[in-house]
Amino acid sequence: GNSVTQMEGPVTLSEEAFLTINCTYTATGYPSLFWYVQYPGEGLQLLLKATKADDKGSNKGFEATYRKETTSFHLEKGSVQVSDSAVYFCALKPNTGNQFYFGTGTSLTVIP
Amino acid sequence: NAGVTQTPKFQVLKTGQSMTLQCAQDMNHEYMSWYRQDPGMGLRLIHYSVGAGITDQGEVPNGYNVSRSTTEDFPLRLLSAAPSQTSVYFCATKIGEETQYFGPGTRLLVL
Repeated sequence: GNSVTQMEGPVTLSEEAFLTINCTYTATGYPSLFWYVQYPGEGLQLLLKATKADDKGSNKGFEATYRKETTSFHLEKGSVQVSDSAVYFCALKPNTGNQFYFGTGTSLTVIP
Repeated sequence: NAGVTQTPKFQVLKTGQSMTLQCAQDMNHEYMSWYRQDPGMGLRLIHYSVGAGITDQGEVPNGYNVSRSTTEDFPLRLLSAAPSQTSVYFCATKIGEETQYFGPGTRLLVL
């Protein structure tokens, strides 16, 4: 079946620290992979995506590389800011059908 | 261009009451869906629609009904609310194969 496993939070970092949020997946075939971000009181927004193996998605200083050999899509940022405080969701979409599968979310708090 | 809108933002129901969560979009997207978000469980798909007149079940459809009479609207109905339906509900649309747009959510408390 299809599933996504994220590292559990919450994660608290100081401003300018390095961020890694781990995400691994189980899927049949070759899914597309996503990171969504949810700011307090808002809906989810697409942060970045990758559609095939070895693709790197990037946006707003965040990066994630689609690693098929390790079935992973870890989110990284070199220097976090207070404004990055949010909940981050890893998700996959199989290459057939319309359903997305989301991880449980990782809460990030960045302190000045 | 309002994107995806949801009403109400917050609702309190008593067990057994019925209500409809509204979702509307002005982007002319064919695909619309409903998710529920629960602590420690991420987002789970309730129902989805690939176009007007077409709906299908997702991962957790029990206790919920949907219909899609227009491209713009995709209401979610709870016929007899239960405390297990306390959650945050998100409506989302999709363009093409992958990019989803989410509404701001409806927070529902069932007593």
